[in-house]
Amino acid sequence: AQSVTQLDSQVPVFEEAPVELRCNYSSSVSVYLFWYVQYPNQGLQLLLKYLSGSTLVESINGFEAEFNKSQTSFHLRKPSVHISDTAEYFCAVKAAGSARQLTFGSGTQLTVLP
Amino acid sequence: SQTIHQWPATLVQPVGSPLSLECTVEGTSNPNLYWYRQAAGRGLQLLFYSVGIGQISSEVPQNLSASRPQDRQFILSSKKLLLSDSGFYLCAWTHDGVNTEAFFGQGTRLTVV
Repeated sequence: AQSVTQLDSQVPVFEEAPVELRCNYSSSVSVYLFWYVQYPNQGLQLLLKYLSGSTLVESINGFEAEFNKSQTSFHLRKPSVHISDTAEYFCAVKAAGSARQLTFGSGTQLTVLP
Repeated sequence: SQTIHQWPATLVQPVGSPLSLECTVEGTSNPNLYWYRQAAGRGLQLLFYSVGIGQISSEVPQNLSASRPQDRQFILSSKKLLLSDSGFYLCAWTHDGVNTEAFFGQGTRLTVV
């Protein structure tokens, strides 16, 4: 079975500052990793994903995440945040190949302050 | 393209009343379907998932049940709602055999009063 830990439940940051949202996972098999974003009263939208290949993946709106197998981490970063980035962010893991479900972390509420 | 529909968007129900939330997927066949619940200040809890018609796996025993009467239809039900059933319910789908992400509906905000 897989598990995901998001250590920070809330991250306040000032506009244009950098941010890192931490995600660690546990699995006995190879995994695929995902970051989702959720705006208030909406469903989850995929932000980025790691399936294989380059360990650094990027989204179209400036976020990036790096898969670190030795540290079992998949931290999300953005060098300069905007007010519109305020949302809840979920890290998720899926066992490669055979699993049929995603396991989610508990979420991190990112609040960008003016 | 694939789309997922979930309704209603909001629902206020009295304690002890029944519940039926519906989710349908368009543009794909034989999806894996999921019901998640998101309580205030908490993450996503997987309630049920289904890999085919009539096949339901329950992750957490509780006051709810799920059914999949058609390939692309997934229903979440309760015979008698409890106050603790309040929350944000999300339907999602993935495609088995292709290791892609899950696609989510817009959610249903259920308030049991």
